[in-house]
Amino acid sequence: AQKVTQAQTEISVVEKEDVTLDCVYETRDTTYYLFWYKQPPSGELVFLIRRNSFDEQNEISGRYSWNFQKSTSSFNFTITASQVVDSAVYFCALSGANTDKLIFGTGTRLQVFP
Amino acid sequence: SQTIHQWPATLVQPVGSPLSLECTVEGTSNPNLYWYRQAAGRGLQLLFYSVGIGQISSEVPQNLSASRPQDRQFILSSKKLLLSDSGFYLCAWSTGQGPLNEQFFGPGTRLTVL
Repeated sequence: AQKVTQAQTEISVVEKEDVTLDCVYETRDTTYYLFWYKQPPSGELVFLIRRNSFDEQNEISGRYSWNFQKSTSSFNFTITASQVVDSAVYFCALSGANTDKLIFGTGTRLQVFP
Repeated sequence: SQTIHQWPATLVQPVGSPLSLECTVEGTSNPNLYWYRQAAGRGLQLLFYSVGIGQISSEVPQNLSASRPQDRQFILSSKKLLLSDSGFYLCAWSTGQGPLNEQFFGPGTRLTVL
């Protein structure tokens, strides 16, 4: 069975701190995809990144970076020099190779205080 | 550009009352459409998805149903609401099947069943 675990329910940091959001997944598929979405207070989910299981290169996009490690089944998300606008709920999700279905974690609420 | 609309934004309904939530997509044709529910403290759960008019796949058994009367219209319904139906309902669309096709989410409807 596929499963995504985000053990951190809520994280609070002060602006300019770095913060890492953890994501651990379970799947028996050899080909799969991992995602991160951001849900700001408005409620709409915003796509951040998609990574396939054959690409273990870490990715950096501005202040965002992602660390994919198959050995530990983790796909962690780091925000460098956090800002108040980063405050949101962040979801990690998993999908198989030939399916529409996204398996979401329970989300991590990040609060960045000025 | 493509946009996705959901209404109403918020809804408070008594137990046993009917429900109709609407989702429409603009700027694209023949999208795949999805209904998700986000219950408090839980991740997003896929309820229904549709690859075309009149084609609905249900992911979980429940007292909800979905219909797609037009290409870009997706409706979530219930004949009699339960307390457990409370949650945040998100509609999403994608251009095709599979995880390579990113899902775009609507603003959501917050449903409270009393």
